[in-house]
Amino acid sequence: AQTVTQSQPEMSVQEAETVTLSCTYDTSESDYYLFWYKQPPSRQMILVIRQEAYKQQNATENRFSVNFQKAAKSFSLKISDSQLGDAAMYFCAYMGQGGSEKLVFGKGMKLTVNP
Amino acid sequence: GAGVSQSPRYKVAKRGQDVALRCDPISGHVSLFWYQQALGQGPEFLTYFQNEAQLDKSGLPSDRFFAERPEGSVSTLKIQRTQQEDSAVYLCASSLGQRETNEQFFGPGTRLTVL
Repeated sequence: AQTVTQSQPEMSVQEAETVTLSCTYDTSESDYYLFWYKQPPSRQMILVIRQEAYKQQNATENRFSVNFQKAAKSFSLKISDSQLGDAAMYFCAYMGQGGSEKLVFGKGMKLTVNP
Repeated sequence: GAGVSQSPRYKVAKRGQDVALRCDPISGHVSLFWYQQALGQGPEFLTYFQNEAQLDKSGLPSDRFFAERPEGSVSTLKIQRTQQEDSAVYLCASSLGQRETNEQFFGPGTRLTVL
C-alpha cells in the first residue's frame, strides 16, 4: 500500500520569507500524481499544486513550487514571499495511476506565518 | 451551488444512535469521495463513487458504515450504532472523473461528535 509521510508537524516562517515543506512517499507504481492541499482554519481543503510523476519538470503556481525527486520519492513544497493568508494545515497527497482515484494523505503540517 | 456542500455541519449523537450525513457535489462532477479526518490527522479514504456506482469501499471501517449515491448526484453516508471512535470530521469531495484533470474539490465537512 502507498504511504505518505510528513515528518514535520509544525513550521513557522516570517512574512515575505521563503519556507519549504517536506514530504516523502512510498509506492511501487511508476506513474502517479502528487498533490499539496491547504486546509485553512475554516477546514475547506483546497488544492495548491499538482505534479504528474511522468513529468520531469517541477510544477509551479505563482508563489508555490515543488521539488519533485522521483528516485528519492520526495515531493517538497516551496512557498516564496510568504503571506499571512498562507497560514494553514498543509497536506501532501498521493493518487495512483490505476484503479480508484482515491487520495492517500500525509498527517499534515501546520504552518504559522509571523508578521 | 458553486462548490461542494455538506449537511449538517455539526452533529452530536449519543452512542448507539444512527446518523446520516449528506453531500451535494459540484453539478456535473462524476466522481464523489468520502474521507474521515480524525483530530490532528490527515483525511483517510472511506469510499468512492463514479456516478451511481460505488467502485471502491475498501476504506469503510466496518459494516456499520454505508454510503449511497442512488441518482449519481447527492450522496449520503450513514453510520449505524455510532461509537465514540466514529467521532471525526467527515469530508466529501467531488471531481470531473478524468485523471488528466483529477483535482478533487472538498466540502466544508461534517463534524460528528459521539457522546
